[in-house]
Amino acid sequence: GQQLNQSPQSMFIQEGEDVSMNCTSSSIFNTWLWYKQDPGEGPVLLIALYKAGELTSNGRLTAQFGITRKDSFLNISASIPSDVGIYFCAGISGNTGKLIFGQGTTLQVKP
Amino acid sequence: GAVVSQHPSRVICKSGTSVKIECRSLDFQATTMFWYRQFPKQSLMLMATSNEGSKATYEQGVEKDKFLINHASLTLSTLTVTSAHPEDSSFYICSARGPGQGVYGYTFGSGTRLTVV
Repeated sequence: GQQLNQSPQSMFIQEGEDVSMNCTSSSIFNTWLWYKQDPGEGPVLLIALYKAGELTSNGRLTAQFGITRKDSFLNISASIPSDVGIYFCAGISGNTGKLIFGQGTTLQVKP
Repeated sequence: GAVVSQHPSRVICKSGTSVKIECRSLDFQATTMFWYRQFPKQSLMLMATSNEGSKATYEQGVEKDKFLINHASLTLSTLTVTSAHPEDSSFYICSARGPGQGVYGYTFGSGTRLTVV
């Protein structure tokens, strides 16, 4: 079945540093989403990517959809303590409309 | 924007009892609702998809008689964990989608932490 492989699994960085995480898939997704989940909460949509090669920003967040539609990265610039959480990539399955999630990247920011 | 409300946020129940979790779309009509389960430090795993007025479609390996899903209205879906056991303890999250919402239709509730003792 369709799978998303997300890396790294966890990151521990200093406040102010930039962060990069990525996601790869064995199959093509037409839409790619990045979510953030705070402890004890549901995921919140950060960025949506629709077109191959698309680069989209949302404040300090930047994400790009790979040319092959099989990968994506998310960058966070100048990290702050409230960036702490779990970041998930997700692809929308074209056949079923279901979301397929990556394993998540846990981000910790040291003040 | 679309808001999905999930209740309760946490519940503790005794082994063998049943627990009902509600998922409501507050400002839109949710024609489709998804139920996920998340274990600590793991990703979200889709349990079932429900369309209003239809029987839910369960993912492989999910017991439909144990996890009863009802989507009787366009604003409410419920997940009932029947005869709960400690291994059912988990974080359950719903998401609701309405027509024409595109990717923003994948809006999540705040989750329910179920602990079975």
